Amino acid sequence: DVKVTQSSRYLVKRTGEKVFLECVQDMDHENMFWYRQDPGLGLRLIYFSYDVKMKEKGDIPEGYSVSREKKERFSLILESASTNQTSMYLCASSFLPGTGKPLEQYFGPGTRLTVT
Amino acid sequence: DQQVKQNSPSLSVQEGRISILNCDYTNSMFDYFLWYKKYPAEGPTFLISISSIKDKNEDGRFTVFLNKSAKHLSLHIVPSQPGDSAVYFCAASDGNYGQNFVFGPGTRLSVLP
Repeated sequence: DVKVTQSSRYLVKRTGEKVFLECVQDMDHENMFWYRQDPGLGLRLIYFSYDVKMKEKGDIPEGYSVSREKKERFSLILESASTNQTSMYLCASSFLPGTGKPLEQYFGPGTRLTVT
Repeated sequence: DQQVKQNSPSLSVQEGRISILNCDYTNSMFDYFLWYKKYPAEGPTFLISISSIKDKNEDGRFTVFLNKSAKHLSLHIVPSQPGDSAVYFCAASDGNYGQNFVFGPGTRLSVLP
């Protein structure tokens, strides 16, 4: 069974704090993703990574950065948290396309971040 | 501008009847589509997929239909069960961009006993 774990289920931070969200997957997936989910907007891609030390901006990268030092681990960093970053953050992983392996993404349980 | 649309925010269906969830897309380059189910306080879980070379894919009670000319897909759940109550997301990807999927806003399905 694929397992994607996220470091926290719930997090409360103050405006201006630096926030780290960690994600670990155990399926040897090449791809890892960070999304945020907001009501009525679905899942919006923040960043993704297709290899160690590689990263690509998604649709809403502003205010976020990422780090992928090991294949199984992908971190999302909020350099200076703001109230409009209050959201549900979801990590996902998948195989690379073109390898003949399933393309679907496997998601972690999410981190509900509140910035006050 | 949303490339993947799910125009019904919510849907209620009686247990045992058919649930039909709809999804429309605007990007003609999309060639692979998936449906995910999400329960509260959990991450989305993969349900079923379809490639653009097919117009139908079945897996048990779940069937996805793809109409490429209309840029429309639908998920049918027959028969619906109370445990199917969840938010359903449609997602689409184009082969060239590859690893990324664009998600719709979701439809909340309630199956009433």
